[in-house]
Amino acid sequence: SAVISQKPSRDICQRGTSLTIQCQVDSQVTMMFWYRQQPGQSLTLIATANQGSEATYESGFVIDKFPISRPNLTFSTLTVSNMSPEDSSIYLCSVLGDSGYNEQFFGPGTRLTVL
Amino acid sequence: GQQVMQIPQYQHVQEGEDFTTYCNSSTTLSNIQWYKQRPGGHPVFLIQLVKSGEVKKQKRLTFQFGEAKKNSSLHITATQTTDVGTYFCAGLGFQKLVFGTGTRLLVSP
Repeated sequence: SAVISQKPSRDICQRGTSLTIQCQVDSQVTMMFWYRQQPGQSLTLIATANQGSEATYESGFVIDKFPISRPNLTFSTLTVSNMSPEDSSIYLCSVLGDSGYNEQFFGPGTRLTVL
Repeated sequence: GQQVMQIPQYQHVQEGEDFTTYCNSSTTLSNIQWYKQRPGGHPVFLIQLVKSGEVKKQKRLTFQFGEAKKNSSLHITATQTTDVGTYFCAGLGFQKLVFGTGTRLLVSP
């Protein structure tokens, strides 16, 4: 199983500012995923990040608002830009396991509060 | 787009009682996964079901995949306080998971 760390674990930000969340994996992975989980809600996929190519965004999410970098096979960042209180959520990165079951391993999440 | 709904949204049981959550997809699924998220934690993979009508067991947990591959269930026998958390089903599309709405389970001792 993959071990994933995220930084920061939590942050409180002012509206209009941006926050970059880092995701580090202990092994090389092809696909990384970024999810948003609003309080008490399910997980919504923001985008899929493959190394060496542009991220693929899901409906309702755009690159200008959530730019993603994937500089190598163990690291990715998600930036939440020009934040508003509606962006207050937990942001999680995940990777596919290599057991053949397509299971996803999740990082601990970044709890973001926008004032 | 694909929607995956779960019922109930929330259930509170006494320790030792059984618990079942039901998962229904608007489209046929190639397979379905189940995850558990403890309070304050992140989702943790439990199991994947692939075949129509498949049933798998993990100790006190029994997972079923419907014959039409559009629904699934998770049954916990004799719940324990360690079962507390939110249980999500997730349908697998093209290397993408669509998570269900989740069922939050609370177990009182």
